[in-house]
Amino acid sequence: GAGVSQSPRYKVAKRGQDVALRCDPISGHVSLFWYQQALGQGPEFLTYFQNEAQLDKSGLPSDRFFAERPEGSVSTLKIQRTQQEDSAVYLCASTGFRDPFLFFGPGTRLTVL
Amino acid sequence: QQQVKQSPQSLIVQKGGISIINCAYENTAFDYFPWYQQFPGKGPALLIAIRPDVSEKKEGRFTISFNKSAKQFSLHIMDSQPGDSATYFCAAQGGGSNYKLTFGKGTLLTVNP
Repeated sequence: GAGVSQSPRYKVAKRGQDVALRCDPISGHVSLFWYQQALGQGPEFLTYFQNEAQLDKSGLPSDRFFAERPEGSVSTLKIQRTQQEDSAVYLCASTGFRDPFLFFGPGTRLTVL
Repeated sequence: QQQVKQSPQSLIVQKGGISIINCAYENTAFDYFPWYQQFPGKGPALLIAIRPDVSEKKEGRFTISFNKSAKQFSLHIMDSQPGDSATYFCAAQGGGSNYKLTFGKGTLLTVNP
């Protein structure tokens, strides 16, 4: 594909439900990032993968958040037992190795009721 | 701790005017300073970026001015157009976590026709 794609684009979950958000990075991009963007705020770093290795998960808010990239391409961000404070746009970005230019996807807007 | 401070929060400019957005950073290890543009419902897109070894970078109507001693950088949009209406984020990267972008909180720019 031409860019980073994310699915679903919108997700409504009831409090306590588990959700899974998918990211398809640009083909060949080694690095993949997840960011969380609250309404009216800048993106906040969640986690970083280099190929299939999760090198940094320091931004994950709690142990309810889990990310994986098993084959070094598609990544999934999973949120267990969702809470209202998890409501945000979740952005995925990819780039080449040591390339600072991040390409962002359109994001998944998660609303927890 | 907010490592990148951005101002103003919102800005209204007349068509043809100059839009100026300012950012200040704290971490002297940062060595890459991009600006991202975000339209509603879209992910951030890289607009222009600068490294601290230069004081100014211009690309079309967009210019970054960088003051290393003051730890400040700014975005100037010349001849602002209604199509420039968007949210702009400054960001910084570098140091020990040289893969991670730290974003400002954003500036909502409105260019009136």
